[in-house]
Amino acid sequence: DTGVSQDPRHKITKRGQNVTFRCDPISEHNRLYWYRQTLGQGPEFLTYFQNEAQLEKSRLLSDRFSAERPKGSFSTLEIQRTEQGDSAMYLCASGREYEQYFGPGTRLTVT
Amino acid sequence: GENVEQHPSTLSVQEGDSAVIKCTYSDSASNYFPWYKQELGKRPQLIIDIRSNVGEKKDQRIAVTLNKTAKHFSLHITETQPEDSAVYFCAASMGGGGFKTIFGAGTRLFVKA
Repeated sequence: DTGVSQDPRHKITKRGQNVTFRCDPISEHNRLYWYRQTLGQGPEFLTYFQNEAQLEKSRLLSDRFSAERPKGSFSTLEIQRTEQGDSAMYLCASGREYEQYFGPGTRLTVT
Repeated sequence: GENVEQHPSTLSVQEGDSAVIKCTYSDSASNYFPWYKQELGKRPQLIIDIRSNVGEKKDQRIAVTLNKTAKHFSLHITETQPEDSAVYFCAASMGGGGFKTIFGAGTRLFVKA
């Protein structure tokens, strides 16, 4: 499968714990995006990388969220001190220029 | 701030009829407008897109139109089929082909056989 992959697919955690998600983009794609999607809503932009550089971060993203793409390939999204409001689907997408291709997402449930 | 409004939120059509979904955007710097189809429990899939230097684009039963002056764009699906039933999202992107993509809230399309 040469598409975007994400790991894990599901994560259940207790409030206050830290979680980390991984995204592996399509290999030739230099752009990588993270989104959050809640039920009945469209994907909400979180952050964007071009190669290893994080070029934009949503104002909606609190300091508890951090993302990295250390070698310009895979990316990680970490949420510290999780809250129940963080429960959502976290989607990763990659692309070369205009198009974005999404991964299957990681569903986070904070109890 | 940037905003994309999408209408209607729900659309029900008879098989074979056409479906039209409309979106408006607020940031005049937007220059790329993709449409995604998302089936239940699956990832959003890019179905068609249009750039700001083009007014209309067609791909088989799907077409998208863009009016940059009015800041709105529309998705047209002709000869709808039950497998077209899904949630459709429009989006607007700024910055020369990437980053900060803003999505609409989605339109749930039901195609009745």
